[in-house]
Amino acid sequence: QVQLVQSGAEVKKPGASVKVSCKASGYTFSTYDMHWVRQAPGQRLEWMGWVNGGNTDTKYSQKFQGRLTITRDTSASTAYMELSSLRAEDTAVYYCARDLLGSPDYWGQGTLVIVSS
Amino acid sequence: EIVLTQSPATLSLSPGERATLSCRASQSVGSFLAWYQQKPGQAPRLLIYDAFNRATGIPARFSGSGSGTDFTLTISSLEPEDFAVYYCLQRTNWMYTFGQGTNLEIK
Repeated sequence: QVQLVQSGAEVKKPGASVKVSCKASGYTFSTYDMHWVRQAPGQRLEWMGWVNGGNTDTKYSQKFQGRLTITRDTSASTAYMELSSLRAEDTAVYYCARDLLGSPDYWGQGTLVIVSS
Repeated sequence: EIVLTQSPATLSLSPGERATLSCRASQSVGSFLAWYQQKPGQAPRLLIYDAFNRATGIPARFSGSGSGTDFTLTISSLEPEDFAVYYCLQRTNWMYTFGQGTNLEIK
């Protein structure tokens, strides 16, 4: 069955970077795009960006332009989300989610990132 | 950026009742609208994609309708496990935004 397993929780200081991984199994990794979505405590879901399955093209929400990098390693069936220049407002649960016909369908379990001095 | 506005913010109903949730877009998104259910401490679950298509394994009591700027998620007869937060998500030119959510609570 389709599974997305994300890396563990992180605590970072303001100004640092964080890189979260998402290892996929149960399907052909290169066939599907991968989204990243975050959710701050008590807040709505927030779409961050995605990486194309076949050619590593990316699209980012304008809010994260310049700070966000999404990559993928097809040989490892793993996608990565790196967010730099962290601030307290970036404290959130970060999710990867596989794309199905333009909508995220299978989701990872989420990775809590805490930004605190 | 396209803004999605969901209403109501909170909906209080009893099991067995019909739920109607609304999502309005600030400009047309065609049929590129999905619905998600999220329970506390869990990842979201895809219910409906492209406005009216049920995702795999989603019960028939969930249905989606609408196009352009106005969309509706209907749950025909609420089960106890349906009480959760529901989000809509639009896609335009491969950029996405979520609505702010509707909290469906037990009355």
